[in-house]
Amino acid sequence: SQQGEEDPQALSIQEGENATMNCSYKTSINNLQWYRQNSGRGLVHLILIRSNEREKHSGRLRVTLDTSKKSSSLLITASRAADTASYFCATAQGAQKLVFGQGTRLTINP
Amino acid sequence: EAGVAQSPRYKIIEKRQSVAFWCNPISGHATLYWYQQILGQGPKLLIQFQNNGVVDDSQLPKDRFSAERLKGVDSTLKIQPAKLEDSAVYLCASSPGQGIVVETQYFGPGTRLLVL
Repeated sequence: SQQGEEDPQALSIQEGENATMNCSYKTSINNLQWYRQNSGRGLVHLILIRSNEREKHSGRLRVTLDTSKKSSSLLITASRAADTASYFCATAQGAQKLVFGQGTRLTINP
Repeated sequence: EAGVAQSPRYKIIEKRQSVAFWCNPISGHATLYWYQQILGQGPKLLIQFQNNGVVDDSQLPKDRFSAERLKGVDSTLKIQPAKLEDSAVYLCASSPGQGIVVETQYFGPGTRLLVL
């Protein structure tokens, strides 16, 4: 069963703009992770935020986590054409199990 | 460090035929996962191994799917017989997996299966 629900399902912006994607989940988690998937490729891990953390940064990525609202957001600043991909949130429910959402398809227009 | 290897990359079969996928995880990773990703959806866990034991196969359609991980390293996933709805990308991932909380998973490129 899917745990995370990403919003929006698709997002199209101009190069240089910021992109924000949201993820909501239903049960308690140990951590939440974001992955990127380029067309026809495997998933690449972007960032992990633990349940006791509220914000985390990695380069142009900023992730927030609100466990009271069971939601997370991924912000990509100063977007580039190479950021065009699908982005998935995944919630860790213990026992080494990740449950993925449906993903957000991000398109960066030059 | 070599990544997760999968083969074949693409496979086209007719319904009711059988097919097998192979995965070689990152060296030393104890946990191995097989996911099914249908077009437009997120990956769905089929089976999870820790070393050569099964941790979770609750979403594996056991009447047609089987998987094994010999000697706690390589793994194969088999579908027999295949159905049209099995058309998907099959992703293999691995993680160091020594703790009780899942950390980063490392994915292979996937095998794209088309069942006609």
